[in-house]
Amino acid sequence: DVKVTQSSRYLVKRTGEKVFLECVQDMDHENMFWYRQDPGLGLRLIYFSYDVKMKEKGDIPEGYSVSREKKERFSLILESASTNQTSMYLCASREQGSSYNSPLHFGNGTRLTVT
Amino acid sequence: AQSVAQPEDQVNVAEGNPLTVKCTYSVSGNPYLFWYVQYPNRGLQFLLKYITGDNLVKGSYGFEAEFNKSQTSFHLKKPSALVSDSALYFCAVRDRGNAGNMLTFGGGTRLMVKP
Repeated sequence: DVKVTQSSRYLVKRTGEKVFLECVQDMDHENMFWYRQDPGLGLRLIYFSYDVKMKEKGDIPEGYSVSREKKERFSLILESASTNQTSMYLCASREQGSSYNSPLHFGNGTRLTVT
Repeated sequence: AQSVAQPEDQVNVAEGNPLTVKCTYSVSGNPYLFWYVQYPNRGLQFLLKYITGDNLVKGSYGFEAEFNKSQTSFHLKKPSALVSDSALYFCAVRDRGNAGNMLTFGGGTRLMVKP
């Protein structure tokens, strides 16, 4: 089974802090994604990465950046955390395939609270 | 642009009864459609997908979904609900012409199955 591991289950940070959310997958997947989940809004894509050192903006990239130095690891960075970034953050990976229709495999999420 | 609507925030069903979770979509071309389930304090798990072919798709845990192009719908169904099916369900769509290959998720529907 594919395993996607997010380093923290819960995080509490102060406004203005720099925050790192880490995600590691063990199946050599090329594609990795960061979503945030908010009630009633579903999942919204923040950033994704096709491969090492490659990144693309999703629907809501403002206030975030990402890093992918190794294939198995995809980090989400909040440069200066704000209270409106309080949310559940979900990492996912996917085998690239020929038509990008392989299922996403999700981690268990990191619930971030910014005070 | 692509979008997904899940018109019901919550669906309540008695155990043993059939269940339906509704999803409608909007794409400019032909869709790829997915259902995911999220159990409490967990990430999302893939249930099933429609790519092409038979309009009735069977997936995990006895779930199935019917693709209806004329109604632009992809409702999730199960003939006999279990209490353990209680979870949050997400529909997702990708336009086949979407070069960015990003999925768009609906807002989610909470399914409550009562004994």
